[in-house]
Amino acid sequence: EPEVTQTPSHQVTQMGQEVILRCVPISNHLYFYWYRQILGQKVEFLVSFYNNEISEKSEIFDDQFSVERPDGSNFTLKIRSTKLEDSAMYFCASTGSGGGITEAFFGQGTRLTVV
Amino acid sequence: GQQVMQIPQYQHVQEGEDFTTYCNSSTTLSNIQWYKQRPGGHPVFLIQLVKSGEVKKQKRLTFQFGEAKKNSSLHITATQTTDVGTYFCAGRAGNNRKLIWGLGTSLAVNP
Repeated sequence: EPEVTQTPSHQVTQMGQEVILRCVPISNHLYFYWYRQILGQKVEFLVSFYNNEISEKSEIFDDQFSVERPDGSNFTLKIRSTKLEDSAMYFCASTGSGGGITEAFFGQGTRLTVV
Repeated sequence: GQQVMQIPQYQHVQEGEDFTTYCNSSTTLSNIQWYKQRPGGHPVFLIQLVKSGEVKKQKRLTFQFGEAKKNSSLHITATQTTDVGTYFCAGRAGNNRKLIWGLGTSLAVNP
């Protein structure tokens, strides 16, 4: 069964450092997303990406965040200068072409710990 | 902004008892999805509801979408320990692809 893969599974970083979280979406999917989930809390939308550009972003997705699809398979989330409150589980997700059921397939997540 | 409220936040049941979680949106939704997240895991898609008043069943799980397309429920009949996890509803408004998530209901089942 196709799956979304994320690396690393856990990242510890010092406050102020840059981090890049990596995702490989399902190969024939067209829409890509980043969500975050602070421990024990709800899933929060960060950004959606389609046709090589951001299609929507939330108020959480400020200038410290950026996304990129550097090649045909990877989808990355960069946080330029991490803050303590960026500590969370970050999930990448992808959906297909959009007609009918638009089930989101989630990766296993990257747990980001900012110290 | 658009919000999706979900209750209860936690539910503790004995194995064999029924369980229901409810979602209410501040705006009319084009569709609503339900996901299950096992402890330490990632959200896994369960179902999507699109039509007003729609009811769908998956074995012991029954999903409903309200007539006004602003609320939804998930009912589990005769819970089992394998049902443990957090159940999230997530809604879309209009042609918006962004999913707005409820807070989730964490279900614990005593064997």
